[in-house]
This record gives sequence, structure tokens and C-alpha cells, in this order.
Amino acid sequence: SQQGEEDPQALSIQEGENATMNCSYKTSINNLQWYRQNSGRGLVHLILIRSNEREKHSGRLRVTLDTSKKSSSLLITASRAADTASYFCATVSSGNTPLVFGKGTRLSVIA
Amino acid sequence: EAGVAQSPRYKIIEKRQSVAFWCNPISGHATLYWYQQILGQGPKLLIQFQNNGVVDDSQLPKDRFSAERLKGVDSTLKIQPAKLEDSAVYLCASTRLESTDTQYFGPGTRLTVL
Repeated sequence: SQQGEEDPQALSIQEGENATMNCSYKTSINNLQWYRQNSGRGLVHLILIRSNEREKHSGRLRVTLDTSKKSSSLLITASRAADTASYFCATVSSGNTPLVFGKGTRLSVIA
Repeated sequence: EAGVAQSPRYKIIEKRQSVAFWCNPISGHATLYWYQQILGQGPKLLIQFQNNGVVDDSQLPKDRFSAERLKGVDSTLKIQPAKLEDSAVYLCASTRLESTDTQYFGPGTRLTVL
């Protein structure tokens, strides 16, 4: 079964707007990771946030983690058409346990 | 640094046929993963190797799927015989050591079973 559940399933915005995607999970985690997947391509790692961190930034990306609510959000600021992709959150419980992915959010950025 | 390599990129077979996929991880990465991604879903782990040993194969359908990483470097995933529901993208990923590290993914192999 999938640990993470992204919300919304699909999101369509205009170029220049901000895009926010949410992820909820069920069990305690070591870290939470966000990945991007362009159509027909492999996954690209975007950002990793550990369970003792609350917020991380990378360029136009901002990730928050609320372990009390078992949720995370990914914010993409000033979106571009090239940001059009599916975005997945994935969690790792501990040690060498497998990465568990959600179903993803499909983001469309309209130029 | 070269990324994770996979081949072939695309494969079309008929049900009950056999198929094999190949993956070469990033040099020095001890842990290798095979995922199955069905259209519209997130990747699901099939098997995890650390060096040449299996760490987790609990979700591998062992009656038809097999995987090996004999020398602890590249790996092959085989399906024999294939079913229609095996149509998916098969992704290979690697990490330096543990699954808590960043995973680097290959481009995937898109399998269509007719």
C-alpha cells in the first residue's frame, strides 16, 4: 500500500503563479522526499527533508514538514511552463526500509 | 558523474512471453532498487539489493518475476511469463548506501504486454 497521498491529484495554473501540493502520510518517518517526473521520463529528486526539520528551500522550491499532522507541502514559486510534470512525495521510515511513494500530483503550467 | 543507465527504453511483447531489463547504477552506489510504475500511479518497490544481497523482495511476484545482481554492480529484472497487467514502466534507482539517502533514477523501461 502507498504511504503518501498527494493532494490535489491535478493542478492547473498560469505561468508566474505559485503552485502548492500537499502530501499526507500514515506512519512515523526518517525523511520525506519530493520527486518530479516529466512525461515518459524517470524521476528526478527535488528535495529531502528530515523528520527533525520543519522547512527547507531550494531555488524556487519550498518544502514544509509537520510531523504532528503527518503532512508536508511543496510550494513552487513563480511557476514556469517547464514545471509541468507529475510531483511525488515519498517517505522513508527508518534505516534501510524502502521508499514509499504516493500517487502524485499532475501539475500543468499554462504559458 | 554518469547517471543510472537502463535498457531497453521500450519493449512490446505478447502475453506469456519472457522479457528482461538491465540496469547499471551510478558507480560506487551500493544499493539498487527496481520499481514498477503503472500508469497514473506512483512507483512501487519490487526489490532492493545492497551490494549483491537482497534486502527486500516482499512485493516481488516471485512466481513470474526474478532479479539478480551477481557482482554487486549491474542488475537484471526478468518477467517470465508476462501477463497483461505487467504493462508498466520499470524504473531502476540507486543510492550510496541506505534508502534514507537520495535515490537517483534511471529513465525507465516502458513495457507493453499485448
